[in-house]
Amino acid sequence: KAGVTQTPRYLIKTRGQQVTLSCSPISGHRSVSWYQQTPGQGLQFLFEYFSETQRNKGNFPGRFSGRQFSNSRSEMNVSTLELGDSALYLCASSFLEGVDGYTFGSGTRLTVV
Amino acid sequence: QKEVEQNSGPLSVPEGAIASLNCTYSDRGSQSFFWYRQYSGKSPELIMFIYSNGDKEDGRFTAQLNKASQYVSLLIRDSQPSDSATYLCAVKRIEAGTALIFGKGTTLSVSS
Repeated sequence: KAGVTQTPRYLIKTRGQQVTLSCSPISGHRSVSWYQQTPGQGLQFLFEYFSETQRNKGNFPGRFSGRQFSNSRSEMNVSTLELGDSALYLCASSFLEGVDGYTFGSGTRLTVV
Repeated sequence: QKEVEQNSGPLSVPEGAIASLNCTYSDRGSQSFFWYRQYSGKSPELIMFIYSNGDKEDGRFTAQLNKASQYVSLLIRDSQPSDSATYLCAVKRIEAGTALIFGKGTTLSVSS
């Protein structure tokens, strides 16, 4: 059974650019959550999607957005990149909206220069 | 502000000892509790979850939950050098659409 797949694994962008990250959940999982991980702040919740609907959003500026497609695949977009957006972005999927825990992908390491 | 607090460590234990990792949470509505392990440069991996007060055992791992004290812990028996990692505590309300909130993790170092 394939795990959660995130692409790309690494990205280098310049300030002001935008970026789109992709996540394919485990087959059958309809809940997808996104997290930002930095050494200082740890894992911070970005948003959660279930059946194409955003169910919850963390305390991030509007430059961070996401969506989920009918096949449960999800994308997140960050516009007008800032140096502080450099982080590991993790996607996680769940069968029961997190009640049974989330399985994480390998993440996308974003570096903004 | 819903928070999950963990001692950042490092917690150092010798091989074969019991490692005890602790976590407190502020949201009394939390109903599901998770422990994740994260090796350096890797993504978090679910070790176990617990919903009810008391102990839950899975191999060398035991999770303990005390909702009245808003406290959850993870015991690792017969610690091995391969257990050296950061352990993340996470909590969630039972309602759909609520976020899984993580602590910042405790770094465990097991010396051989």
